[in-house]
Amino acid sequence: DGGITQSPKYLFRKEGQNVTLSCEQNLNHDAMYWYRQDPGQGLRLIYYSQIVNDFQKGDIAEGYSVSREKKESFPLTVTSAQKNPTAFYLCASGQSSGANVLTFGAGSRLTVL
Amino acid sequence: AQSVAQPEDQVNVAEGNPLTVKCTYSVSGNPYLFWYVQYPNRGLQFLLKYITGDNLVKGSYGFEAEFNKSQTSFHLKKPSALVSDSALYFCAVIGAGTASKLTFGTGTRLQVTL
Repeated sequence: DGGITQSPKYLFRKEGQNVTLSCEQNLNHDAMYWYRQDPGQGLRLIYYSQIVNDFQKGDIAEGYSVSREKKESFPLTVTSAQKNPTAFYLCASGQSSGANVLTFGAGSRLTVL
Repeated sequence: AQSVAQPEDQVNVAEGNPLTVKCTYSVSGNPYLFWYVQYPNRGLQFLLKYITGDNLVKGSYGFEAEFNKSQTSFHLKKPSALVSDSALYFCAVIGAGTASKLTFGTGTRLQVTL
């Protein structure tokens, strides 16, 4: 089946640790996105990438890092610099046009202990 | 800057009744508008979009939305609600031909009861 796979589904982190969330797609989409979802705040864009080896900051990039070494993969690292990392993280992909429909993964819930 | 407002945090409807989930937007130029639905602990699923043409857009699961340019609105509607429609609904906008990225509203929780 074509789609986006996010892992892990649940992740617990101690303060001061970096963690990496995986996102893989087999839809042959050019663009990939990372969103953060908090209750009552909707989805906020962290980073996005429209082509391999290139990515741009979204609205809330501080404390996060990404890489795009392969078209299929767009991992997100939540660093210790992110002050409030507990959230639901969603990865999405689509074609690089304004009218494109995004396909979302099932999400990863990160909890900082 | 583009923005989306979903003025209701929650909408409660009895099964079989019509439902409306409201969305207004602000964007430079013409908008591309989208509705997505999210079930608990899942990603978002696409419902429908407006790009151009007919103001009434039909989408998945019997949902439709009406684009109203003068009121800058894109309300989601369904003639007869089902309990299984209970979920979180997001409206999103992007300015046509712009380099900006999709902006989402804060979401509206739809609760359909028997």
